Amino acid sequence: QSVLTQPPSASGAPGQRVTISCTGSNSNIGAGYDVQWYRHLPGTAPKLVIYANTNRPSGVPDRFSASKSGTSASLAITGLQAEDEADYYCQSYDSSLSGYLFGTGTRVTVL
Amino acid sequence: EVQVVESGGGLIQPGGSLRLSCAASGFDVSDTYMTWVRQPPGKGLEWVSVVYSGRTSYYAPSLKGRFTISRDNSRNMVFLEMNSLRAEDTAVYFCARGGSSGSKLGWFDPWGPGALVTVSA
Repeated sequence: QSVLTQPPSASGAPGQRVTISCTGSNSNIGAGYDVQWYRHLPGTAPKLVIYANTNRPSGVPDRFSASKSGTSASLAITGLQAEDEADYYCQSYDSSLSGYLFGTGTRVTVL
Repeated sequence: EVQVVESGGGLIQPGGSLRLSCAASGFDVSDTYMTWVRQPPGKGLEWVSVVYSGRTSYYAPSLKGRFTISRDNSRNMVFLEMNSLRAEDTAVYFCARGGSSGSKLGWFDPWGPGALVTVSA
């Protein structure tokens, strides 16, 4: 079964760096499909923070960066701020599903 | 401003049907692909369906046969028809525009605020 696995939680003090991993398989990330990252606060619309593996949409601060290698990807948030507290999801395309796939989600807590 | 807004959510009995609507503004749904994503209570985001500009559509394997996505270009709207609803379909349903840049595609932006669908007797 196709799945993108993320750690359930990540945390850091204000100003620190936090990274979130996203592990897939050869039918999604490993097949070369791009990875996206979204920030989501419950009760609100999810927001795109990274698209096509490493690109930041207009308005997203450069504290957010991402990378992809093999069957995995990662999101890094540097200079952690209280406003960064949210759930973060990776997303890619999966050839075995002929559709899209979201990661299991990671809750980021600012200590 | 580019935005999408969902409507049509509500309380429905198991086995019933419901149609969600997604009204787009600031862009033409005919020029891009549109998707539906849901979030069950206390759980993560789950991709539901996508309709491409050529009207080709795909669904999450677990939903195929019960849900139908469609698009009305004249009204600039996208719909999700949900049949034989089950308790496990209870979720907030989000509509989103598909993004593309050159040969790249596969992201969703922007998203609507969501519509709550509750399936319960």
